[in-house]
Amino acid sequence: DVVLTQSPATLSVTPGERISLSCRASESVDTYLHWYQQKPNESPRLLIKYASQSISGIPSRFSGSGSGTDFTLSINGVELEDLSIYYCQQGNSLPFTFGSGTKLEIK
Amino acid sequence: EVQLVESGGGLVQPGRSLKLSCLASGFTFSNYGMNWIRQAPGKGLEWVASISSSSSYIYYADTVKGRFTISRDNAKNTLYLQMTSLRSEDTALYYCARPNYGSYDVMDAWGQGASVTVSS
Repeated sequence: DVVLTQSPATLSVTPGERISLSCRASESVDTYLHWYQQKPNESPRLLIKYASQSISGIPSRFSGSGSGTDFTLSINGVELEDLSIYYCQQGNSLPFTFGSGTKLEIK
Repeated sequence: EVQLVESGGGLVQPGRSLKLSCLASGFTFSNYGMNWIRQAPGKGLEWVASISSSSSYIYYADTVKGRFTISRDNAKNTLYLQMTSLRSEDTALYYCARPNYGSYDVMDAWGQGASVTVSS
């Protein structure tokens, strides 16, 4: 199974800051890497698909990059509403696997 | 508007069975594969099972293989998860999730989840 390692586990940020979250795969997943946001007590929401493709309705401050084993989710100008847990997920091979998440805290 | 509404969750004793349902609306259900994904309390997301649009292809996580059965009724726009021989480690919120059209691995719609608690 592909193991996805997300770092950091927790990130404390100041509103307006630009941040980067990391997701590293144990083997290449090409660009079959997707990002989700889960706010407290809500279902996950798709943010970015295939490493860097934007999703309709998602604010433009969210962007993704990477291929192979190293991926990054960037938020350009964090807002209070971005307080969430962010998960990466690989779809290159079954079983689909998720990272353990990065929790975004607002300072 | 795409909607996925899970039902059938509850408290069940270890070793017993439970069947979850997911009623889909707002899209042509029969054109999409579907998935079950679960989240244990305070934990991350775990893919459980997938089924293709016509039920021709079915896949399971090793943790549930042989105990859980995914199925669907396209006439009723409903996805199911039959869970047997339940264990305490199956305690979780179970989401049904629809993949992006044309893909099978990008989950672009999620239900609100059905809570399953396995305890004596």
